[in-house]
Formats: sequence, structure tokens, C-alpha cells
Amino acid sequence: QKEVEQDPGPLSVPEGAIVSLNCTYSNSAFQYFMWYRQYSRKGPELLMYTYSSGNKEDGRFTAQVDKSSKYISLFIRDSQPSDSATYLCAMPNQGGKLIFGQGTELSVKP
Amino acid sequence: KAGVTQTPRYLIKTRGQQVTLSCSPISGHRSVSWYQQTPGQGLQFLFEYFSETQRNKGNFPGRFSGRQFSNSRSEMNVSTLELGDSALYLCASSLQPAGGRQETQYFGPGTRLLVL
Repeated sequence: QKEVEQDPGPLSVPEGAIVSLNCTYSNSAFQYFMWYRQYSRKGPELLMYTYSSGNKEDGRFTAQVDKSSKYISLFIRDSQPSDSATYLCAMPNQGGKLIFGQGTELSVKP
Repeated sequence: KAGVTQTPRYLIKTRGQQVTLSCSPISGHRSVSWYQQTPGQGLQFLFEYFSETQRNKGNFPGRFSGRQFSNSRSEMNVSTLELGDSALYLCASSLQPAGGRQETQYFGPGTRLLVL
């Protein structure tokens, strides 16, 4: 079993839709949670970073962490075609290695 | 400030050959991490260097090695290439060792390696 599980998709939504991206993890010691966005032919870029359970909002993006269920989510409101990318969740283990999910490929259709 | 740069961007090699990839971190960053990205396995951690010392290593065979120079530039080497080594190799840099609470890793565009 992988330490971090993420549905690879692909996920296709119409412009303006609310998008929900999710990851589950098995190691209860994970403390910090990150979401990266990767456009085609580019390296990943950090989108959001959360530490505690609860919600964190940044513009159209909301990151949600539920440590009791070992479940994290990224919500995108009013999705735009420019949001089309692969979204990766990531969390550092105790040794400092960053463990990534498989990545979910998102396509937002105009 | 210039971002993380990786050279070359694309590379084609044949089985059994060796390859060296280069990464220049953001100026002032002392930590460099390497990752392998494939459609099947996703992004997998290879190793991390901080101040010229390997700080962390992933679960890859010894054919994969790396080093970091005094100017923080890093190279990774893969010897005796196999078909399964075809992947996007990403380098990321950060000010301090990766994985810390406030430490952000900045990724380069990657080197796409094709092994024939």
C-alpha cells in the first residue's frame, strides 16, 4: 500500500464548476500537507501548504485537512481553463522526504 | 531571481549507457532534491543534498547517485541505464533542508530522459 493515495483521474469539468481533489494517507505521523500544481512540460509549483486540521483558503482555492480520517482535499471554485493541470498532494515524512500522491490530471473545458 | 535550471532538457540514451544530469538551484538555496516522475509511479524521491552532503536517500538502486558542489549546484548520475529509467527527472531547491514546516521546494522544469 502506498503511503499517499490519489486518484489519477483524468477529471474533466466545465468552466465555472467546483472541483474537488482528494488524497488519503496511511501514516498518522504526517504533520504538514501540500498541494502542488504541475502544468504540462513544467515542474510542480507549490499551490498551498497546510499544517493543522481544518480549512485554509487562498483566493479560489481551499485546502482541507482531516487528520482523524487521514484525508486531505483541495477545492477549486469557479474553475477556469487555466486551472487545467495535474494536481499533486505531498507530505513530508519524519525523515524529511517529500512523499507525493500520484497526481490528478484536471481539464477545465470552456 | 532566476529559478531552478536543469540541463539538458531532453536526452536519448541506449541501454547500458550512463547519463549525468545537472541542476542549478536558486541563488542562495543550499538544499537540492532529486525526483523521478513516471506515469506509473508518479513522483518518487531519489535523494537530497544539503551543503554538499547527502541528507536523505530514496529507495532506488545504487546505479543512481548524486553529488553537490560547493556552489550548491548538483548532478545526478545513472549508470548502466535500463529501459525503465525513462522518466522525467526533476530537481528542487530550498533554502534549508526539505521537509521542514516552513520550507518550500522550488522545482525546475525537469530533464526528460528516454532510454532505448
